[in-house]
Amino acid sequence: DIVMTQSPDSLAVSLGERASINCRSSQSVLYSSNNRNYLAWYQQKPGQPPKLLIYWASTRESGVPDRFSGSGSGTDFTLTISSLQAEDVAVYYCQQYFDSPQWTFGQGTKVEIK
Amino acid sequence: EVHLLESGGGLVQPGGSQRLSCTASGFSFSTYAMTWVRQAPGKGLEWVSSISASGSTYYADSVKGRFTISRDNSKNTLYLQMNSLRAEDTAVYYCAKDQVEMSTLAGFWDYWGQGTLVTVSS
Repeated sequence: DIVMTQSPDSLAVSLGERASINCRSSQSVLYSSNNRNYLAWYQQKPGQPPKLLIYWASTRESGVPDRFSGSGSGTDFTLTISSLQAEDVAVYYCQQYFDSPQWTFGQGTKVEIK
Repeated sequence: EVHLLESGGGLVQPGGSQRLSCTASGFSFSTYAMTWVRQAPGKGLEWVSSISASGSTYYADSVKGRFTISRDNSKNTLYLQMNSLRAEDTAVYYCAKDQVEMSTLAGFWDYWGQGTLVTVSS
């Protein structure tokens, strides 16, 4: 199975500041035939189910604010919140869907307000 | 509006069985792959099982041979039959809809239910 490792486990950021979460896969999730990275990001607020934010590593899901962006390729990826809002307090997960169907998630990164 | 509603969770003894249901509305259920993902208390997310629009089934190694996923397109309902339950199966079970229509399995999910808690304990 592909192991997904996120860093840091938690971070505290001031309102309006940038938050960055890293995700590393144990093997590449870039499919060479279509040059797509099979990587998604989810946001989970307390007591709620996960919400899809980003897929194909950098495509924002419909309705997701543009302060959320995804980048990276191969084995190293980043989710960036350009200007942290109070409603962004949540746990964020990366997930690979390259190794179908043995999909795996990172352990999660908790984002809090400083 | 897409809506997924899980039911069937509860307390079950080790070795017991439980059947979860997920009733879908607001989209063409029969043309999407569907998935179960679970989350143990205070832990991260774990993919459990998926079923394609055509009915092909897939399982995580941790549940293979014990869990069975199925769907009834006439009822817009997804099921997860769980047998030989273990303490480590204790979790909130979410059903989720594939983001891509008519794909075999997209592998990422745009709508999730609120989840149903299964507790395996004596």
